[in-house]
Amino acid sequence: KAGVTQTPRYLIKTRGQQVTLSCSPISGHRSVSWYQQTPGQGLQFLFEYFSETQRNKGNFPGRFSGRQFSNSRSEMNVSTLELGDSALYLCASSAGQGGETQYFGPGTRLLVL
Amino acid sequence: EDQVTQSPEALRLQEGESSSLNCSYTVSGLRGLFWYRQDPGKGPEFLFTLYSAGEEKEKERLKATLTKKESFLHITAPKPEDSATYLCAGGTDKLIFGTGTRLQVFP
Repeated sequence: KAGVTQTPRYLIKTRGQQVTLSCSPISGHRSVSWYQQTPGQGLQFLFEYFSETQRNKGNFPGRFSGRQFSNSRSEMNVSTLELGDSALYLCASSAGQGGETQYFGPGTRLLVL
Repeated sequence: EDQVTQSPEALRLQEGESSSLNCSYTVSGLRGLFWYRQDPGKGPEFLFTLYSAGEEKEKERLKATLTKKESFLHITAPKPEDSATYLCAGGTDKLIFGTGTRLQVFP
């Protein structure tokens, strides 16, 4: 089975711009979660989508949003980028039953200048 | 507040020198305790899931154990290729990660 894929792998943006990241889950997985990883804060949960609905949300501002399509692919969007948004953005997929293993993609490295 | 704490932050071992990494957790409604390995610039790679106290799982040189408050990742006779950051996470409706243990194994 193919693993979780994320595109693009690297991105450079300037403050004030917006960005869209994409995630394709493992075939058959219906849940996609997004995490932000920074050296200072570690891995922090952004949100989770299951069957096209946001099921859980972390403590991030409204500039961070996401969506999921009927084929379970997911996108996350960050508007009005700030320097502090520079991070590795990871998505993870799981079957969606709750409490089962999440499998991570390689991440998208975002640099905001 | 749900919390996962890992220690030590960093660990240097000589090849063949066994040791343990600690993960203590306070997570309400815990559904599973997860261990991942992460290499620089890559996404976390799944290692183990533990669901109940007393459970143990092994994979090559790694063995994970779980109690009601802690989990341990034992590394037996490590090799340089085991060098990575090891992350544990408490699973509820999301994963709550510790900050990781950065392991370096030198020849």
